[in-house]
Amino acid sequence: QSVLTQPPSASGTPGQRVTISCFGSTSNIGSNYVYWYQQLPGAAPKLLIHRNAQRPSGVPDRFSGSKSGASASLAISGLRSEDEADYYCAAWDDSPSGPVFGGGTKLTVL
Amino acid sequence: EVQLVESGGGLVQPGGSLRLTCAASGFTFSNYWMSWVRHRQAPGKGLEWVANINQDGSEKYYVDSVKGRFTISRDNAKNSLFLQLNSLRAEDTAVYYCARLAVAGTSDFDYWGQGTLVTFSS
Repeated sequence: QSVLTQPPSASGTPGQRVTISCFGSTSNIGSNYVYWYQQLPGAAPKLLIHRNAQRPSGVPDRFSGSKSGASASLAISGLRSEDEADYYCAAWDDSPSGPVFGGGTKLTVL
Repeated sequence: EVQLVESGGGLVQPGGSLRLTCAASGFTFSNYWMSWVRHRQAPGKGLEWVANINQDGSEKYYVDSVKGRFTISRDNAKNSLFLQLNSLRAEDTAVYYCARLAVAGTSDFDYWGQGTLVTFSS
């Protein structure tokens, strides 16, 4: 059982906007930054969003992150077939100390 | 270009040992905290942080499930990160990733290797 809770699956059609939620607690998301990772099939995870809502260089602005209280969301607009991947949220947890991840959400582009 | 290349994974028996290595290049290795993160292969299992080590190796932190069995270390002269896995259990089956931690005390893993697979033989 992962510390952060994500829906196991999400789907959308090309061009649509989809959101993926991530629920935590006051010891992790509620008091620390949230990060999002994209893992394409057979590939290593890639940092998609850092510090709740900032995109690293090279990440398209179709990807956006937000945080409210002890929950966070990743939104993908203008969905493309190449967005089909597993998406993970992550945060630092103050107790016990260390990084924690969500269980991952498998995004299917229909 | 930042590159992290893991090696050392393989087939082991329960109770066995392995040593994973991560060769780093393209950045000043000794300036960064480094981490190991694993992706368990069981259905429904996702990413799990395993261990962190600070720049000079004097601080090491582990997830509870591997404490006393796994040891993280580094050799800054050789730009290498290591993970010694002892007393391996079936639930340790995973792809093990080496990752650079951009900011200590966060989950900001800004670069990842391609991973090395640890699996069990029956």
